Amino acid sequence: GAVVSQHPSWVICKSGTSVKIECRSLDFQATTMFWYRQFPKQSLMLMATSNEGSKATYEQGVEKDKFLINHASLTLSTLTVTSAHPEDSSFYICSASLPGLAGSEQYFGPGTRLTVT
Amino acid sequence: DAKTTQPNSMESNEEEPVHLPCNHSTISGTDYIHWYRQLPSQGPEYVIHGLTSNVNNRMASLAIAEDRKSSTLILHRATLRDAAVYYCILIFQGAQKLVFGQGTRLTINP
Repeated sequence: GAVVSQHPSWVICKSGTSVKIECRSLDFQATTMFWYRQFPKQSLMLMATSNEGSKATYEQGVEKDKFLINHASLTLSTLTVTSAHPEDSSFYICSASLPGLAGSEQYFGPGTRLTVT
Repeated sequence: DAKTTQPNSMESNEEEPVHLPCNHSTISGTDYIHWYRQLPSQGPEYVIHGLTSNVNNRMASLAIAEDRKSSTLILHRATLRDAAVYYCILIFQGAQKLVFGQGTRLTINP
C-alpha cells in the first residue's frame, strides 16, 4: 500500500521557537494532504487541508498564522508551528489520499510528537 | 457530515471473533462507510470501506445493514495486535476529508 512518512517522529522545543514538521508521500503523488492534531486520550482533530500549489484550507478555530502549511510539491507538505507554547504540545499526524480516488482510503503518517517546554 | 455512534470501549479474547458496531441513522445515499483503526502512538490505518454491500478484505469484514443505518466491523480472529481504537466514519462521495469521532477502544485479552 501507499506509504506516508513524517519527520521528525518527535521533537522537543523551547517556548517561543518555531518547529517544522514534514509529511511525505513516498510512493505516490498527493495533490491533497491533511493535518491533524491529537491530544492525549482524545480523538484526531482535523486542522487543515493542504493543497499542492495553493493555500491551505484551515478548519474553524485553527490559527492560520500560527500553523503555517506549505505544500510545495506533490510529495511534500510541511507544517510549521510558529512561536510554540506548551499548549501546542500534541501529536501531529498527516495523511494523504491517492488522487482520483475520492471517497477511498487515506494513508496516514506515523505522527510527530511535539513537546514544548 | 452525518454522524456515527460507537460504543466507547469493547473487550474480547484472543482468537475469538469481534463485532464492532456503528450506528449512522442519518446516513445519506452517497455516504461511504469507512473504518480506520489507530494503534497506540501511531497514525491511523485504513481498515475497510463500503457503500451498500458487505465487503471483505484481508484485515476484516464489513457488514452493512439493509437500510444502511448501521454497520458492523468484524475481526474474524482477534490477536493482541488488534488492540486499538476503531473509528467508523462516513464520507460523502467525492469528498476526502475525514472527521473522526471518539471511536471504540478495543481491548484484547490473552
